[in-house]
Amino acid sequence: GQNIDQPTEMTATEGAIVQINCTYQTSGFNGLFWYQQHAGEAPTFLSYNVLDGLEEKGRFSSFLSRSKGYSYLLLKELQMKDSASYLCAAASGGSYIPTFGRGTSLIVHP
Amino acid sequence: NAGVTQTPKFRVLKTGQSMTLLCAQDMNHEYMYWYRQDPGMGLRLIHYSVGEGTTAKGEVPDGYNVSRLKKQNFLLGLESAAPSQTSVYFCASNKNGRTDTQYFGPGTRLTVL
Repeated sequence: GQNIDQPTEMTATEGAIVQINCTYQTSGFNGLFWYQQHAGEAPTFLSYNVLDGLEEKGRFSSFLSRSKGYSYLLLKELQMKDSASYLCAAASGGSYIPTFGRGTSLIVHP
Repeated sequence: NAGVTQTPKFRVLKTGQSMTLLCAQDMNHEYMYWYRQDPGMGLRLIHYSVGEGTTAKGEVPDGYNVSRLKKQNFLLGLESAAPSQTSVYFCASNKNGRTDTQYFGPGTRLTVL
């Protein structure tokens, strides 16, 4: 089976930087996804990492360390619209189907 | 190009009733998935399909059945609904099921009384 852990809730201030961590334990790791989900809406894709290192996409960056079973999502210049749930998902095994963590609810306040 | 659509958006059932949720995608994707999302539980995979005519069990398949008679449609059935099946159901699809990102439908909010 797989075990994915991420904090339940985080708060941050508009304009600041926040880092959301995710740890995973899987067999046959095939990559780590991050999704964003606003309340009442569907998840939308943010990033995918399969190699160690940092991937940057505008204000969002995602980091992976395969040896440590660890990833983080870094959000810079926070905006109010970044208030959402952030889902970490690890793909593993022959099926490549990701298993999702419980999500981190990020609240951005003025 | 509508992406992934789900029907209905909301539904209230009584215990023991049956219903079918429809998922449709117009992206010619091979893989389709049904998830349920409960507060504090994240997304859990119910069933999935790797192509027309195929289905497979996910993490929480009990109480659900699925069919993929056409490539673009993936149906989720509840034969005898239970209050424990009250949830938000999301359908998703992707091209090849490997490292390809999943595209999600808008969700169906189901309440079983």
